[in-house]
Amino acid sequence: QKEVEQDPGPLSVPEGAIVSLNCTYSNSAFQYFMWYRQYSRKGPELLMYTYSSGNKEDGRFTAQVDKSSKYISLFIRDSQPSDSATYLCAMTTGDSNYQLIWGAGTKLIIKP
Amino acid sequence: GAGVSQSPRYKVAKRGQDVALRCDPISGHVSLFWYQQALGQGPEFLTYFQNEAQLDKSGLPSDRFFAERPEGSVSTLKIQRTQQEDSAVYLCASSPWGGPYEQYFGPGTRLTVT
Repeated sequence: QKEVEQDPGPLSVPEGAIVSLNCTYSNSAFQYFMWYRQYSRKGPELLMYTYSSGNKEDGRFTAQVDKSSKYISLFIRDSQPSDSATYLCAMTTGDSNYQLIWGAGTKLIIKP
Repeated sequence: GAGVSQSPRYKVAKRGQDVALRCDPISGHVSLFWYQQALGQGPEFLTYFQNEAQLDKSGLPSDRFFAERPEGSVSTLKIQRTQQEDSAVYLCASSPWGGPYEQYFGPGTRLTVT
């Protein structure tokens, strides 16, 4: 079993819908949780990060961390076709906190 | 400003050939990371530099993989005697420090070994 599990999708939703993307993990020592967006043939781009538990909001994006359930989520409001991409979660412990452990990514398609 | 650049963007190598992949980090960034991303998977950590010092190479899959950053700026990932299982996208990221949430990625080099 991988340390970080993420449904590969694809997830297809109509424009304007609320999108929910999720990851589960097994290592309770993870402290930092990141969401990256990756367009085809590009490198990952950091969207949001959260330290420990709680919520964080940035524009149309909200990240949630539930450490008791080992479950993290990214919500996208008012989704746009330009949001179509692969979304990857990544996380790390505080020990060697430069080494990120990644999910496999969820491919998101926003239909106009 | 200029982001992280990588060259070549695409590389086709015959099995057994040596390849060298280059990464130009963002100017002034202290930390540099190499990742390997297989098709349909998330990136996997290969190695980490702080300035010219290679502080962690635990992710390098075999002794055929070698990375260097001799002057604390440009880095090269070298793969000797390439094998088909080396086919992947190799991503470089740089960070102004070693923090986990400020890694800026380049576009990657797609290596295909035939």
